[in-house]
Amino acid sequence: KNQVEQSPQSLIILEGKNCTLQCNYTVSPFSNLRWYKQDTGRGPVSLTIMTFSENTKSNGRYTATLDADTKQSSLHITASQLSDSASYICVVSEEGSNYQLIWGAGTKLIIKP
Amino acid sequence: DTAVSQTPKYLVTQMGNDKSIKCEQNLGHDTMYWYKQDSKKFLKIMFSYNNKELIINETVPNRFSPKSPDKAHLNLHINSLELGDSAVYFCASSQDGGLGYGYTFGSGTRLTVV
Repeated sequence: KNQVEQSPQSLIILEGKNCTLQCNYTVSPFSNLRWYKQDTGRGPVSLTIMTFSENTKSNGRYTATLDADTKQSSLHITASQLSDSASYICVVSEEGSNYQLIWGAGTKLIIKP
Repeated sequence: DTAVSQTPKYLVTQMGNDKSIKCEQNLGHDTMYWYKQDSKKFLKIMFSYNNKELIINETVPNRFSPKSPDKAHLNLHINSLELGDSAVYFCASSQDGGLGYGYTFGSGTRLTVV
């Protein structure tokens, strides 16, 4: 069964600190992996998308990594800001079915001043 | 000039009622979706339309019926609402199956059935 699991479920860090969120998946055959940021009361917003051949991609202070062999991804946030408080969701697409995305439950990140 | 807009943002209604949620996108995307986000925060796809044609119809009760009058609109009608229908419903749109940054979500409609 295709699944996406994220850890930790929630994380609290101080403003200015770095953090790393994890995503493991069992989706096969793999097409691409996306990280989304979802603010409370808002829809998810895309941060990065990586295909099989990419193992790292950055978007400002966000850097995603992908190891397609071990089926793991991470999202690293550098120099966190209060506005980074949100849920971060890992989403994996199965090859040949870009219309269907398999969503993780997300990691709720809280940045404290 | 919101890219994907849904209305209403909040909807509280009694069991057994029929309600509709509307969605419009001004991005020129070919594909639109309805997702349900439950209390555990998982987003589950319900329906997908590509150029007004239904391409995904996940196992949802037939009380849910999507309607796409044109490729910029995808509405969701729900009959005989039940307590378990309470959730946040998100509309989204994408171009070329969403491979890229074109997958855009609306702000969600929080449905509460009492």
